[in-house]
Amino acid sequence: GAVVSQHPSRVICKSGTSVKIECRSLDFQATTMFWYRQFPKQSLMLMATSNEGSKATYEQGVEKDKFLINHASLTLSTLTVTSAHPEDSSFYICSALTGSGNTIYFGEGSWLTVV
Amino acid sequence: KQEVTQIPAALSVPEGENLVLNCSFTDSAIYNLQWFRQDPGKGLTSLLLIQSSQREQTSGRLNASLDKSSGRSTLYIAASQPGDSATYLCALDSGAGSYQLTFGKGTKLSVIP
Repeated sequence: GAVVSQHPSRVICKSGTSVKIECRSLDFQATTMFWYRQFPKQSLMLMATSNEGSKATYEQGVEKDKFLINHASLTLSTLTVTSAHPEDSSFYICSALTGSGNTIYFGEGSWLTVV
Repeated sequence: KQEVTQIPAALSVPEGENLVLNCSFTDSAIYNLQWFRQDPGKGLTSLLLIQSSQREQTSGRLNASLDKSSGRSTLYIAASQPGDSATYLCALDSGAGSYQLTFGKGTKLSVIP
């Protein structure tokens, strides 16, 4: 079946540095991918919608200059957390919409810890 | 703004018991509703998707219902097994199939052998 892969699954970075998380659709092309964030004991919250070849659309309250999204190909979207702070520590998860636009698959998520 | 509430937050049942998980939402103008399963530290697995025009969906031991007028959905799990232990998430697509989902906080289910 369709698989969405995220890398890395866990990352620890120092405060002030940047970290990149990759989301790949392994056996289908995804023109649209989504990035979510989940803080402990909270619900998954949509951060942005990533469309191949165009700028991402960010949800209200999400800083586009801090969370850089690049969807350069039909199988890869990246989320870069710039100048990371401890409060950015969270579970980040992506989802990808199949080309037919009728099924969505989630990655396994990435745990980010900023120290 | 759509708000999704799941009750209870946690549930512990003995193996073999039938159980119901609840999801309520504030805006009935939804495109579809999905139930997901999330295992600790893992991604999400879609269990059932109910279109707004449907009232229920079934897959194996799982049955999900949707009542848009009352803003409620239930996930019924029959003959629960220890392998069913996970967090179950309810998510709504309110944007005409945009797949921009609004999630509840989930119900953490523990099935005791």
